[in-house]
Amino acid sequence: DIQMTQSPSTLSASVGETVTITCRASQYINNWLAWYQQKPGKAPKLLIYKASNLESGVPSRFSGSGSGTEFTLTISSLQPDDFATYYCQHYISFSYTFGQGTNLEI
Amino acid sequence: QVHLVQSGAEVKKPGSSVKISCKASGGTFRNYAVSWVRQAPGQGLQWMGGIVPVFGTTNYAQNFQGRVTISADESSGTAYVELSSLRPDDTAVYFCARDYYSDFKHDAFDLWGQGTMVTVSS
Repeated sequence: DIQMTQSPSTLSASVGETVTITCRASQYINNWLAWYQQKPGKAPKLLIYKASNLESGVPSRFSGSGSGTEFTLTISSLQPDDFATYYCQHYISFSYTFGQGTNLEI
Repeated sequence: QVHLVQSGAEVKKPGSSVKISCKASGGTFRNYAVSWVRQAPGQGLQWMGGIVPVFGTTNYAQNFQGRVTISADESSGTAYVELSSLRPDDTAVYFCARDYYSDFKHDAFDLWGQGTMVTVSS
């Protein structure tokens, strides 16, 4: 199985800052990588698909990059609503694995 | 607009089974696969398995092989997950999620159910 490793596990930042979360796949996944945001008590929400494509309705301050095994999620000009937990996920073939999550806190 | 609506919370005894439903309200699962993802309290997301309803094709995560069964009724737009031999560490929120399935390729989960809390306790 493909393992997904996110870093950091916890990230402290302030409103207005830019932050980056990294996700590493244990083997080549091309660009079959998604990023999700989850708030307490809610279902995850898709932010980015195919590594760098912004889901409809997601603010443009979210961006994704990478290919192969190394990927990043960047959030520019942090807003209060962005403080949440973020997960990466690969979806190569009919099998999915999530990273362990990054808790973005104020 | 399509919503995925899941069945309500369950409380189960160890050793029993639970079956949760996920209905595509306002749409169908045609052209989509449906997966089940669980989240134990304070923990991350864990993919359990999925189904392509139009073909009935399933795939299960290794951790759940033999204990989980995913099915779907395409005519009613409903998917199900059944987990057997329940243990206290199966206590979690269970989510359904869909992804667009085309040309044998899967996609990211663009729509999620609201989650179903399953508590396993004696």
